[in-house]
Amino acid sequence: NAGVTQTPKFQVLKTGQSMTLQCAQDMNHEYMSWYRQDPGMGLRLIHYSVGAGITDQGEVPNGYNVSRSTTEDFPLRLLSAAPSQTSVYFCASSYTWPTSGPYEQYFGPGTRLTVT
Amino acid sequence: SQQGEEDPQALSIQEGENATMNCSYKTSINNLQWYRQNSGRGLVHLILIRSNEREKHSGRLRVTLDTSKKSSSLLITASRAADTASYFCATVQGGSEKLVFGKGTKLTVNP
Repeated sequence: NAGVTQTPKFQVLKTGQSMTLQCAQDMNHEYMSWYRQDPGMGLRLIHYSVGAGITDQGEVPNGYNVSRSTTEDFPLRLLSAAPSQTSVYFCASSYTWPTSGPYEQYFGPGTRLTVT
Repeated sequence: SQQGEEDPQALSIQEGENATMNCSYKTSINNLQWYRQNSGRGLVHLILIRSNEREKHSGRLRVTLDTSKKSSSLLITASRAADTASYFCATVQGGSEKLVFGKGTKLTVNP
């Protein structure tokens, strides 16, 4: 199994450009999520999904869109990049239970994004 | 807002010593999870403890949970230089499916 894969590994954007960060998992996990990690801030949840066709906002959703058309894929779209979106982005997936929430998260290797 | 807060922010110990990190959170939880992150890498899951559990062990790791105090601790016994990493707690808030992380404790184990 490849686990959780993310592309690209590195990306430089100019302010105002848009792009999509790709995330895929081959473990048949219902739950997928996106985090951003900034120095001294830990990981902050952007969006998450509990299954195909279902997405919800996390702690810092502004400026980002997601969709979940298949169980395997969970792309993150930056609509109009801003320097404040310079960060490392991690995708994760797991099983989840309705009464307990998401279990052990499997993380991708991350995408390092710089917006100039 | 981040649910969990780790304490201390940074910890430096000698190889062979024990390391204790604490996590406090604000609201009721379904489960609490601990993760490790080596520099520049993705996070790796260590232990999950459910809200009705008080203690769990995994190898040299021991996690406790006190729901009355809304706190958890991670103990690493007989630490090794390879344990040098950042450690994060993450909580699933009651009635939610959001997994929210704290800011982490940076552990340095000196050989």
